[in-house]
Amino acid sequence: AIQLTQSPSSLSASVGDRVIITCRASQGISSSLVWYQQKPGKSPKLLIYDASSLESGVPSRFSGSGSGTEFTLTVSSLQPEDFASYYCQQSHGFPVTFGPGTKVDMK
Amino acid sequence: VLLQESGPGVVKPSQTLSLTCAVSGDSVSNSAYSWHWIRQAPGQGLEWIGLIFSGGTTYYMPTLRPRLTISVDTSQNQISLDLTSVTAADTAVYYCVSFWSGYPHWGQGTPVVVSS
Repeated sequence: AIQLTQSPSSLSASVGDRVIITCRASQGISSSLVWYQQKPGKSPKLLIYDASSLESGVPSRFSGSGSGTEFTLTVSSLQPEDFASYYCQQSHGFPVTFGPGTKVDMK
Repeated sequence: VLLQESGPGVVKPSQTLSLTCAVSGDSVSNSAYSWHWIRQAPGQGLEWIGLIFSGGTTYYMPTLRPRLTISVDTSQNQISLDLTSVTAADTAVYYCVSFWSGYPHWGQGTPVVVSS
């Protein structure tokens, strides 16, 4: 199975900060990467698909980039509603696998 | 496509957990989709446990394979999961997820607690 790692595992940030989360795949996955945001008690919310395509309705402060084995999720200016956990997920090969998550909390 | 999971909420240890995922907005027979079950234990990350294609081919998480069955019911347009001999380690929110060319649709999830 394709393994995904995320860094950092957690970070503390302030409103207005630029936040970058990295996801690395154990083998090349082209652009078959998705990013989710999850808040406690809620199902994951799709932010980015195909590594860099912004899901409809998601604020433009979220962006994704990368291909192959290294990907990034960037929040250009963190807002209060962005404090949450973020997961990457690949669907290049079965089984679908997830990164372990990055928790973003308030500094 | 919209997905709605349903289940018993609480299951006793050693019993069988049965969940259904009602699909609307498209047919479970549409070969463009794969249908997945993903779970999340309390305070933990997301764990893929299995999938089924419209033709009935299944893939299961290796450690669950002896206990897990995923099936598709075209007459009811739903996906089902049966997990036998459950233990406390199976306590989680279970999500039904469809993928269409890598694009996911998630249900809201159904919580399952294994407790006597």
